[in-house]
Amino acid sequence: AQRVTQPEKLLSVFKGAPVELKCNYSYSGSPELFWYVQYSRQRLQLLLRHISRESIKGFTADLNKGETSFHLKKPFAQEEDSAMYYCALSGEPFGGYNKLIFGAGTRLAVHP
Amino acid sequence: NAGVTQTPKFQVLKTGQSMTLQCAQDMNHEYMSWYRQDPGMGLRLIHYSVGAGITDQGEVPNGYNVSRSTTEDFPLRLLSAAPSQTSVYFCASGGRGQPQHFGDGTRLSIL
Repeated sequence: AQRVTQPEKLLSVFKGAPVELKCNYSYSGSPELFWYVQYSRQRLQLLLRHISRESIKGFTADLNKGETSFHLKKPFAQEEDSAMYYCALSGEPFGGYNKLIFGAGTRLAVHP
Repeated sequence: NAGVTQTPKFQVLKTGQSMTLQCAQDMNHEYMSWYRQDPGMGLRLIHYSVGAGITDQGEVPNGYNVSRSTTEDFPLRLLSAAPSQTSVYFCASGGRGQPQHFGDGTRLSIL
């Protein structure tokens, strides 16, 4: 079954601490993985996609096919990083990514 | 460039009422989708479309209808509202090979 698991509902850290938001997936083929961020009561915004291999707002994520993971990392958390983070999977790399499978989300709270 | 526009932003319905959530995009995207967002469950796909005249069901389609008569518009219809449909609804659109852009959402309460 296709599934995305984000094991932590809440991750609470202090400003300047490292952050790792975990994401594991189950998919039989070669999926594409995304991280979306949702600031308080705003729309979802794309943060990262694994094929672009870029760093956005200091966040990076590496796809580990052996461990079927796509963890999101940032070395030094900032208060403005506080938001809801969703890991998502698409099994249609040549399509429109309009059939995303989302994890339940992890709320990141960065304290001063 | 407005992107993905959803209306209304908020709505309260009584059980059994029907309504249509509107979604419009001005980016000429082929692919559009509707998701519902519930606490602890993330976003779940309701219906999606790969072009005008083509729609299909997602993970949780029951109680909802869609149509795609134009590239720009993808309305979601609740046929007979139930309290279980209380949720935040997001519309998204994207081009081929491009990530989805999301709207601001519609917060719907069914009493």
